[in-house]
Amino acid sequence: DGGITQSPKYLFRKEGQNVTLSCEQNLNHDAMYWYRQDPGQGLRLIYYSQIVNDFQKGDIAEGYSVSREKKESFPLTVTSAQKNPTAFYLCASSPGQGKDYGYTFGSGTRLTVV
Amino acid sequence: KQEVTQIPAALSVPEGENLVLNCSFTDSAIYNLQWFRQDPGKGLTSLLLIQSSQREQTSGRLNASLDKSSGRSTLYIAASQPGDSATYLCAVELYNFNKFYFGSGTKLNVKP
Repeated sequence: DGGITQSPKYLFRKEGQNVTLSCEQNLNHDAMYWYRQDPGQGLRLIYYSQIVNDFQKGDIAEGYSVSREKKESFPLTVTSAQKNPTAFYLCASSPGQGKDYGYTFGSGTRLTVV
Repeated sequence: KQEVTQIPAALSVPEGENLVLNCSFTDSAIYNLQWFRQDPGKGLTSLLLIQSSQREQTSGRLNASLDKSSGRSTLYIAASQPGDSATYLCAVELYNFNKFYFGSGTKLNVKP
C-alpha cells in the first residue's frame, strides 16, 4: 500500500544537539511538507518542497533545515538553534500544485528535549 | 495570510446525536478544502476533500459543504458514535498556491 512513513515515532534530544527526522513516501507525489503541532494548537508549516532539489520556508522555519535530494524523501533536521523543539512533527505529501487530491499525512514523530 | 477558525473548540454530545462542526476562513480565493480526523498522538486521516469545482462531498455518515463566498465550510456527522471521538481539523489551500492552512480543530467527545 502507498503511504508516508515517518521515523522514529519517538525521539529524544539533548540540549545543543542536532537531530534528523525521516519522512519517506511511495505515492509518487511531487510535493512534501513538514508541520509542527503543539498541544491545543493547529498545525504550523515549517518547510515545503514542490519539486526535487527545491524547497521553501514556511511560517516557522527558524532553527530547522531540510533537503530534497530524492522525490521520495524529505528529511527534517532540528538544529540546536531551535530553542523550543519539543513538539509533534508531521510530514505530508500531495500530488502537486493545481492537482485536486489534497494532502496525505504520516503518523508523526514526537520530539522531546531532555 | 489565510486565517482558519474552527468553532467550537470542543464539543461533547450523547451517542446518536447529529452534529455540525464549523470552519471559517478569511480569504475566499481558495482552491481545495480538506477535513481531517486526528486521534490522540496520531497523524491526520483525511475524511473529505472538497475540490475547487465542488460545493460538497459525502462519505458514509459524513457530509461536508463549502461556501466560498461566505468563507465557510461545515462538517455534518449523522448518528454520532463513540468511535467518532477525535479532533477534527479543516485545512484550506489558497488558489494555485499548494499550501494548506489549518484551523486549531474541534475536539469531539461522543458519550455512550
